[in-house]
Amino acid sequence: DGGITQSPKYLFRKEGQNVTLSCEQNLNHDAMYWYRQDPGQGLRLIYYSQIVNDFQKGDIAEGYSVSREKKESFPLTVTSAQKNPTAFYLCASSYPGGGAFFGQGTRLTVV
Amino acid sequence: GENVEQHPSTLSVQEGDSAVIKCTYSDSASNYFPWYKQELGKRPQLIIDIRSNVGEKKDQRIAVTLNKTAKHFSLHITETQPEDSAVYFCAASRVTGGGNKLTFGTGTQLKVEL
Repeated sequence: DGGITQSPKYLFRKEGQNVTLSCEQNLNHDAMYWYRQDPGQGLRLIYYSQIVNDFQKGDIAEGYSVSREKKESFPLTVTSAQKNPTAFYLCASSYPGGGAFFGQGTRLTVV
Repeated sequence: GENVEQHPSTLSVQEGDSAVIKCTYSDSASNYFPWYKQELGKRPQLIIDIRSNVGEKKDQRIAVTLNKTAKHFSLHITETQPEDSAVYFCAASRVTGGGNKLTFGTGTQLKVEL
């Protein structure tokens, strides 16, 4: 299961707190993505980055922020503005024109 | 933007039977169509993909067909086995020089019964 690593596996957030999810890849992929998965739903795109120091909003970017300072890393911050953050978060990377390879996911719960 | 619809949402088959999952997409410019398998609590894994210049692709017991005119594509699993039980997602994207922003269907829960 090498290649793309997410941490932590489980994360608990208090109301009003910001939390950051880590995503690291050693596949030398230029593009990286963050998806959110809710029960019974497909994967919805939060943010994506095609190159270092550049990223674009996906379909559900409100309440989230990202950075892409290094090719290998694409951390996601879930801010207090995200009112319903409990979900399974998946990071992915891809080579040009290829399928996405996913990390093992982070399950975020609001307590 | 792209919209992908997937049917059925649940599918039960007997071991050894075939399973078919269908997806439609809205953006005629989409040119890449992967399928993912996700077991409970695990990451989605790419099982097969097809590009718009190909009508069919097969890999052992799984195959994917694409009808660009009708904008639909399907996953076919033959001789199903209990380990095929999982959630399957289709996706579509317009591949650019850099990234590959996938739009996913809502998934099909496949159950293979003994």
